[in-house]
Amino acid sequence: IVVTQSPATLSVSPGERATLSCRASEIVSGNLAWYQQKPGQAPRLLIYGTSTRAAGTPARFTGSVSGTEYTLTITSLQSEDFAVYHCQQYNRGVTFGGGTKVE
Amino acid sequence: EVQLVQSGAEVKKPGESLKISCKGSDYHLSTYWIAWVRQMPGRGLEWMGIIYPGDSDTRYSPSFQGQVTISVDKSTTTAYLRWASLRASDTAMYYCARSVGPEYHFDSWGRGTLVTV
Repeated sequence: IVVTQSPATLSVSPGERATLSCRASEIVSGNLAWYQQKPGQAPRLLIYGTSTRAAGTPARFTGSVSGTEYTLTITSLQSEDFAVYHCQQYNRGVTFGGGTKVE
Repeated sequence: EVQLVQSGAEVKKPGESLKISCKGSDYHLSTYWIAWVRQMPGRGLEWMGIIYPGDSDTRYSPSFQGQVTISVDKSTTTAYLRWASLRASDTAMYYCARSVGPEYHFDSWGRGTLVTV
């Protein structure tokens, strides 16, 4: 399954909303996760099962789906949210998208 | 807090062999699956394969099948990723990550091992 993230780079200002997209080439039945990766650090699980926040994930991070498009929304961006975000499908095999850099 | 402790950075020459490690702490390694994920410089994440320490059930991505070997030592609760003959294109950061199933999300990650060939 090919996973495509868009945009590759998202330029936003602190306090604004960021909307990140993830599409899979096949139906993944909600088996999709989001990770945050800061420079020099390992990825950190933010959301799994489309919309379930992992422990410690702030409420401003919301995962959703509409049709075949999965979305991560970050409301009111904080300085610590500027990072690369990866989505991952795990419905059939495991594949990651190419990432979206939020700058 | 669950930790996956990875071995240190490596600098190798093409054609050399290498084995890097990932040790679980604060939990019993054999109760979870351990995956290896590659991140080439400036690139995204690539799932390489996964192993279940309880019975050594191992699965590989088609892209990495035959290129690497994933193994586990239950006595030391350590998972390994091995190359028999490195290439310059193997230069990357390699992460181990934990999941509750072979096709699942990863709730804990190691800090990564940088391999430079």
